[in-house]
Amino acid sequence: ETGVTQTPRHLVMGMTNKKSLKCEQHLGHNAMYWYKQSAKKPLELMFVYSLEERVENNSVPSRFSPECPNSSHLFLHLHTLQPEDSALYLCASSRTGSTNEKLFFGSGTQLSVL
Amino acid sequence: TQLLEQSPQFLSIQEGENLTVYCNSSSVFSSLQWYRQEPGEGPVLLVTVVTGGEVKKLKRLTFQFGDARKDSSLHITAAQTGDTGLYLCAGAGGAGSYQLTFGKGTKLSVIP
Repeated sequence: ETGVTQTPRHLVMGMTNKKSLKCEQHLGHNAMYWYKQSAKKPLELMFVYSLEERVENNSVPSRFSPECPNSSHLFLHLHTLQPEDSALYLCASSRTGSTNEKLFFGSGTQLSVL
Repeated sequence: TQLLEQSPQFLSIQEGENLTVYCNSSSVFSSLQWYRQEPGEGPVLLVTVVTGGEVKKLKRLTFQFGDARKDSSLHITAAQTGDTGLYLCAGAGGAGSYQLTFGKGTKLSVIP
């Protein structure tokens, strides 16, 4: 399998649940990203990891907790989310993390918080 | 804060028509990327423009970067139903930043 794979594709959770989103890239890239895509809003960068170290954290609430155990895997741990957190969560990777580089996106996890 | 305004927000056209969508900002970008996102999928890069005034062609798609590197346009000739999707522009800032600034996108529907 090639590219960027995200699981699950769809997730419905209550506000008291704890769940995790998983992303795996098979491209040999060194940088991985979490983006949030909401209706009528631009893509919002949440976290960036370069060589497994977090290099960017855009004032994301602590109920979102990222984890990057190695350069191929990225997780987003979710707990006590709010209904306004419902959105499409996209994982992406790039070769080194330079903004001029092409981003390779996964298909996303459509999250609904009830 | 750098902002990218995309217009129009929605566009519905007949197959075979031509169209242009725009991406504008008051900020200068070192480069600008265009992505297409189909329903249920992530965005896929179409092109990156780097030089002011640059024109790039990808089959029926023509991309232009403004001379001042603040704006860009995407022109599609003889649209096909397969062109349907959300078109996103994204601007890259200075060196050392991991931030791409995305626009809200233009949602294109091509009707057979």
